[in-house]
Amino acid sequence: ETGVTQTPRHLVMGMTNKKSLKCEQHLGHNAMYWYKQSAKKPLELMFVYNFKEQTENNSVPSRFSPECPNSSHLFLHLHTLQPEDSALYLCASSQKPAGGQDNSPLHFGNGTRLTVT
Amino acid sequence: AQSVAQPEDQVNVAEGNPLTVKCTYSVSGNPYLFWYVQYPNRGLQFLLKYITGDNLVKGSYGFEAEFNKSQTSFHLKKPSALVSDSALYFCAVRASGGSYIPTFGRGTSLIVHP
Repeated sequence: ETGVTQTPRHLVMGMTNKKSLKCEQHLGHNAMYWYKQSAKKPLELMFVYNFKEQTENNSVPSRFSPECPNSSHLFLHLHTLQPEDSALYLCASSQKPAGGQDNSPLHFGNGTRLTVT
Repeated sequence: AQSVAQPEDQVNVAEGNPLTVKCTYSVSGNPYLFWYVQYPNRGLQFLLKYITGDNLVKGSYGFEAEFNKSQTSFHLKKPSALVSDSALYFCAVRASGGSYIPTFGRGTSLIVHP
């Protein structure tokens, strides 16, 4: 149990489907992240939310749409994806202090393995 | 801007031998440095971090890392490797007082042979 739970663990979808990935953290953290991990590529930061406000959108195509209804939940809505979007999608959380030094590590979920056919 | 380099895509070591996974960084100001490990079909797990103080940091599973400011390095080490240490290792950096979002290296695959 990592404290960050992602569902589903595996997802296969066609290019015309609409699906959502869910992330829930039980750690009381205030920052949440979506990363994309493709084979033989660096870890790619997609979105960051801090206190439910999006603070980072790393030039992600609009077919990926994040939602953060509260500090514990993060969604990634998917529509009209491409085969190159197949990857492991990782959610993470961290505690960003209101003041002082921020040296807390990220806590990751086990990811959703997405296959786009 | 901050960056991390992990110069080796793969490191091979025999079980029982010492292991080193290399990491160098570039950051404005003082760095916060982290190591994470990723086992197959799992997310990244935090191993250890350097914030300030002693240059040798001890972490989970017998791993340690040495911060070297002059060489801007933060190499991960273990005195005696186990087959179960085989995994993907990521180094990450964040600037003290800078963005709270870390920059990750590309990862190094560690393979420990029996």
